[in-house]
Amino acid sequence: NAGVTQTPKFRILKIGQSMTLQCAQDMNHNYMYWYRQDPGMGLKLIYYSVGAGITDKGEVPNGYNVSRSTTEDFPLRLELAAPSQTSVYFCASSYSKTISSYEQYFGPGTRLTVT
Amino acid sequence: TQLLEQSPQFLSIQEGENLTVYCNSSSVFSSLQWYRQEPGEGPVLLVTVVTGGEVKKLKRLTFQFGDARKDSSLHITAAQPGDTGLYLCAGAGTYKYIFGTGTRLKVLA
Repeated sequence: NAGVTQTPKFRILKIGQSMTLQCAQDMNHNYMYWYRQDPGMGLKLIYYSVGAGITDKGEVPNGYNVSRSTTEDFPLRLELAAPSQTSVYFCASSYSKTISSYEQYFGPGTRLTVT
Repeated sequence: TQLLEQSPQFLSIQEGENLTVYCNSSSVFSSLQWYRQEPGEGPVLLVTVVTGGEVKKLKRLTFQFGDARKDSSLHITAAQPGDTGLYLCAGAGTYKYIFGTGTRLKVLA
């Protein structure tokens, strides 16, 4: 099992450019999440999805968009990159029949710099 | 807005010392998780606590969930350099998690 995979590992963008961060999981998890982590800080939820075709905003959704056309994939789109979006982005997935007991599995992260 | 505050923010101790990290909120959570994150990697789950007052042990690590399910603590006995990392608590809401601010621990040999 590959678990949660993310591409690319590193990326440098110029202000105003667009890009898509890819995330895929092969564990048949129904829940998927995108977080950003600024240096030395905790994780902030950007968007999440509870199943294919269903997405919702987290704490910091501005400047991002997501889609969930399949169970496996959950790409994150940055339309007009800004320096404030410089961060490390983590994708995670989880599965549980009871809300209170699920474990999140994290990908290795994408380090994005906007200059 | 649900917030989770962790303290201390930074901790540098000598090998063999004991330490406690706190995770506090004004909100009630259905469960609370603790993660450890090493540089360049994603967080890895250490434990999930579900019941108010619950205590779980993982080798030298002891986790406690507050009676009111608003706070938690992580106690490490006889810390080792391998315990170095960023410790994160996360409270479970409906379908999503709220992460704490993090505690960066450094254990010196």
